[in-house]
Amino acid sequence: SQTIHQWPATLVQPVGSPLSLECTVEGTSNPNLYWYRQAAGRGLQLLFYSVGIGQISSEVPQNLSASRPQDRQFILSSKKLLLSDSGFYLCAWSGDTNQPQHFGDGTRLSIL
Amino acid sequence: AQKITQTQPGMFVQEKEAVTLDCTYDTSDPSYGLFWYKQPSSGEMIFLIYQGSYDQQNATEGRYSLNFQKARKSANLVISASQLGDSAMYFCAMMRNYGQNFVFGPGTRLSVLP
Repeated sequence: SQTIHQWPATLVQPVGSPLSLECTVEGTSNPNLYWYRQAAGRGLQLLFYSVGIGQISSEVPQNLSASRPQDRQFILSSKKLLLSDSGFYLCAWSGDTNQPQHFGDGTRLSIL
Repeated sequence: AQKITQTQPGMFVQEKEAVTLDCTYDTSDPSYGLFWYKQPSSGEMIFLIYQGSYDQQNATEGRYSLNFQKARKSANLVISASQLGDSAMYFCAMMRNYGQNFVFGPGTRLSVLP
């Protein structure tokens, strides 16, 4: 069966520090991968999606970037975090378009 | 542009009763998929049910059913026989079949009362 792993679960970082959140999927090949951010009490905002290695599409301009160095690995990064980057970050995968997305457990990021 | 509207920020339901969570959407695509997710306080997103725009019948999954009215562009979630464990945020989402655009609604917080 397929599983998705996302870490760390919680992260506290100072303003201006770098960020690297990692997400890996097991049990499937060539998944579509997604990064979302959820502000407190709000819905999900799609940040990035990827349909293959090295293929990244950005939905909103921001301080973050994403990379997919391997088929089942998706990384969310920032060179210098802003206070506005605080939130709950969720990674997800799907087998194809029109398939449900399956989410990791999320990372709660607090910027001080 | 695609948009999902969930007009009920919060809902209360008595345990064992049924509840309907509203979702309307806006799209010009002829083909799309509609999804409902549950997010408990722990934060995980749990897939509940899916409806394709060309599906003739309303989707059902256990106690969950989707009341799909294509002409009205609505995809309401019906939860029958509510349980205390159903208390959570519920998100309606839409996926375009021709692209990767996956849009979530703002969510509805459901509270089940004992």
